[in-house]
Amino acid sequence: NAGVTQTPKFQVLKTGQSMTLQCAQDMNHEYMSWYRQDPGMGLRLIHYSVGAGITDQGEVPNGYNVSRSTTEDFPLRLLSAAPSQTSVYFCASSPQLTYEQYFGPGTRLTVT
Amino acid sequence: KQEVTQIPAALSVPEGENLVLNCSFTDSAIYNLQWFRQDPGKGLTSLLLIQSSQREQTSGRLNASLDKSSGRSTLYIAASQPGDSATYLCAVKRTDSWGKLQFGAGTQVVVTP
Repeated sequence: NAGVTQTPKFQVLKTGQSMTLQCAQDMNHEYMSWYRQDPGMGLRLIHYSVGAGITDQGEVPNGYNVSRSTTEDFPLRLLSAAPSQTSVYFCASSPQLTYEQYFGPGTRLTVT
Repeated sequence: KQEVTQIPAALSVPEGENLVLNCSFTDSAIYNLQWFRQDPGKGLTSLLLIQSSQREQTSGRLNASLDKSSGRSTLYIAASQPGDSATYLCAVKRTDSWGKLQFGAGTQVVVTP
């Protein structure tokens, strides 16, 4: 198993550009989520999904969209990038609600 | 509102000493608590998961305890090695939402040879 994979590893965007951060898992996990990690703020939940076709907002969802058309994939879309979205983004998955969460290697995003 | 605190923020120990890392949380309504390791510029590696009904979990040199009533967890790393140098994060999985992980800010550990 490759586990949780994320692409790209690094990305630089200009303000106003849009892009999609990819996340995939090959463990058949129902639960997937996106976090961002910022110095002094820790990790904060952006969006999550409890299964294909079901998504919901976390604590910092503004400026981001998600969809879950398959169990394996959970892409995160930045609609119009802003410097405040400069961060490291992590995708995570878990087989069940109370089980261990597995994290991907992260995407480091810089918005200029 | 759930608050997760890790003290100290940084710790330096000589090789061979035991490491003791603390995590406290304000709301005992949790499913479980998970300890992670993060190396600089890398992702999070899960170390141990303790369910709310458990008191401790062990894996090799690592032992984590959980006292839900007092809102505390401790991660012990026996006989530390330079390779244990990393940031250690604890996170609680809340029961008042889908199961969001609430993270502490982490303890940065340096083990000197």
